[in-house]
Amino acid sequence: GAVVSQHPSRVICKSGTSVKIECRSLDFQATTMFWYRQFPKQSLMLMATSNEGSKATYEQGVEKDKFLINHASLTLSTLTVTSAHPEDSSFYICSARRGGLLGGGELFFGEGSRLTVL
Amino acid sequence: GENVEQHPSTLSVQEGDSAVIKCTYSDSASNYFPWYKQELGKGPQLIIDIRSNVGEKKDQRIAVTLNKTAKHFSLHITETQPEDSAVYFCAARSPLGGTASKLTFGTGTRLQVTL
Repeated sequence: GAVVSQHPSRVICKSGTSVKIECRSLDFQATTMFWYRQFPKQSLMLMATSNEGSKATYEQGVEKDKFLINHASLTLSTLTVTSAHPEDSSFYICSARRGGLLGGGELFFGEGSRLTVL
Repeated sequence: GENVEQHPSTLSVQEGDSAVIKCTYSDSASNYFPWYKQELGKGPQLIIDIRSNVGEKKDQRIAVTLNKTAKHFSLHITETQPEDSAVYFCAARSPLGGTASKLTFGTGTRLQVTL
């Protein structure tokens, strides 16, 4: 399968600071990437859809000013958690769609980033 | 929107036995159904997928079946091994969202393969 790299895998930060997570598709170009949040023993919750060269589309209830998404190239999307608080502690996972027209194509996931806000 | 239900939430089988995980979906327009395996502390890994124009797909010990009429699909793992132990997620995608079409995930099944 295709490779999606996510960095960092773990990050601990102080409350009030901002944290950036990178998602890269290593062997394919991804016009669309997705960001998920996963709480322990729960399913993946879609936060936003990141489209290269345009603004991200956020799911209902997700604050766009809190979770800044940038998709500046066909292989890189970043998620910045601004002014992080303990309740933002979670496992954040990105995915990238390979190929497919009009929304088709396979979805490959990164390894996830565990954020702990003290 | 799409709603995906997954059963069972936990499944324990002995090594060598088969495991079956079932999912149902609500949107009859959904046409893509992938299955993901997630190990502890890692991201989901695509293990098999099926599109609505076929009823069954097999890859070595893993197979997926799709019943469009009943709107359900299943994952079958034969000859299970300890390394199959993980959480498995089903998902469904409707084409109606265009380039923004997204996956809806099931709630996950924790599979444990015991020796």
